[in-house]
Amino acid sequence: DSGVTQTPKHLITATGQRVTLRCSPRSGDLSVYWYQQSLDQGLQFLIQYYNGEERAKGNILERFSAQQFPDLHSELNLSSLELGDSALYFCASSVAWGLAGINEQFFGPGTRLTVL
Amino acid sequence: ELKVEQNPLFLSMQEGKNYTIYCNYSTTSDRLYWYRQDPGKSLESLFVLLSNGAVKQEGRLMASLDTKARLSTLHITAAVHDLSATYFCAVFYMEYGNKLVFGAGTILRVKS
Repeated sequence: DSGVTQTPKHLITATGQRVTLRCSPRSGDLSVYWYQQSLDQGLQFLIQYYNGEERAKGNILERFSAQQFPDLHSELNLSSLELGDSALYFCASSVAWGLAGINEQFFGPGTRLTVL
Repeated sequence: ELKVEQNPLFLSMQEGKNYTIYCNYSTTSDRLYWYRQDPGKSLESLFVLLSNGAVKQEGRLMASLDTKARLSTLHITAAVHDLSATYFCAVFYMEYGNKLVFGAGTILRVKS
């Protein structure tokens, strides 16, 4: 158990809908990262927040957005869902960001999103 | 383009044998991570390699980093069934937007 929690574990929805995935980082971690894992794209970095501010952006679609709240939990919002958005979405957390320390990322259990 | 390539992508080996997984990356970085993922599960951190020549060992796994060759290896010694999983290397690029770029993963199956 990494200490990172994600809810829900599974989500089944229809095309065109909007969903919110939630992540709570490990105690003491200020950085939160979101990743998408799919069979065709592999593991792709989406976005990172550090202490409430966006720090890095990866291959995140405009239909997707995220935020980190004052209590450091984060939410990933996915809208106008398409079949191709079906994937496993991971959240990870680390103490710092950039090259500070080891900055090891600890991954949550993931949310499996199925878009029908 | 930031590319991280792993090979082989699939490895079937007998218990007791040794083998090496290779991770090549396209652009210089001094920081590389290895993760393990069991089917349907999350990623578990195995090694953090922070500099050229870094070598880390844990049980039957040993990881090394050669930043000049842009190559990391994950060596498996005397494989056991419990090592069956998917192994990912990931390269950190601060100058390209603090990105962690993952390889495609190597599926390892250890046969008894």
